[in-house]
Amino acid sequence: GNSVTQMEGPVTLSEEAFLTINCTYTATGYPSLFWYVQYPGEGLQLLLKATKADDKGSNKGFEATYRKETTSFHLEKGSVQVSDSAVYFCALSGGGGYNKLIFGAGTRLAVHP
Amino acid sequence: NAGVTQTPKFQVLKTGQSMTLQCAQDMNHEYMSWYRQDPGMGLRLIHYSVGAGITDQGEVPNGYNVSRSTTEDFPLRLLSAAPSQTSVYFCASSPMRTSGSYGYTFGSGTRLTVV
Repeated sequence: GNSVTQMEGPVTLSEEAFLTINCTYTATGYPSLFWYVQYPGEGLQLLLKATKADDKGSNKGFEATYRKETTSFHLEKGSVQVSDSAVYFCALSGGGGYNKLIFGAGTRLAVHP
Repeated sequence: NAGVTQTPKFQVLKTGQSMTLQCAQDMNHEYMSWYRQDPGMGLRLIHYSVGAGITDQGEVPNGYNVSRSTTEDFPLRLLSAAPSQTSVYFCASSPMRTSGSYGYTFGSGTRLTVV
């Protein structure tokens, strides 16, 4: 079945460091791919998405490129801030005609001044 | 503000008690779903609905019931609470039921503890 695998956290970085959070997926067909962010005590917010191969999603300085050949959708940011500290979830649409999302386990990011 | 509203935010139940978690959205979204979030396991789908009167099971449906009598509301019922149901519950909605390209709008969650 469809699945999403994320790198385990926590990821700890200093402010202004470069961020990469790896995400790979297994899916039939052509799913859409998403990154969600969860700040402490809050629900998930859509960060960015890509709906077809080679698409690049971007938002708030974060980017991810839909790589069908490597079945990956890695999240990157060139210079992280303390305010980026959160849990990040990679997800894919479940396909089958319905909008089911399948989530990875999440990666906690902690950014220190 | 438009969005997904969940109530209550916190709840403590005793084993065997029943309760209903409420979820309402005012965006006229066809698709609604319930997830539970547990440490190290991400979000797991409990039940979902593609429109009023239509519901289906997700990955972990046992011990939960849902109904969808209106487009706006999608309550989740715990029939007889168990400690294994201690979790954070999220309701989410989406505007398109046949397209996987829309993201979800999430509620702020209900933190449930079963003792």
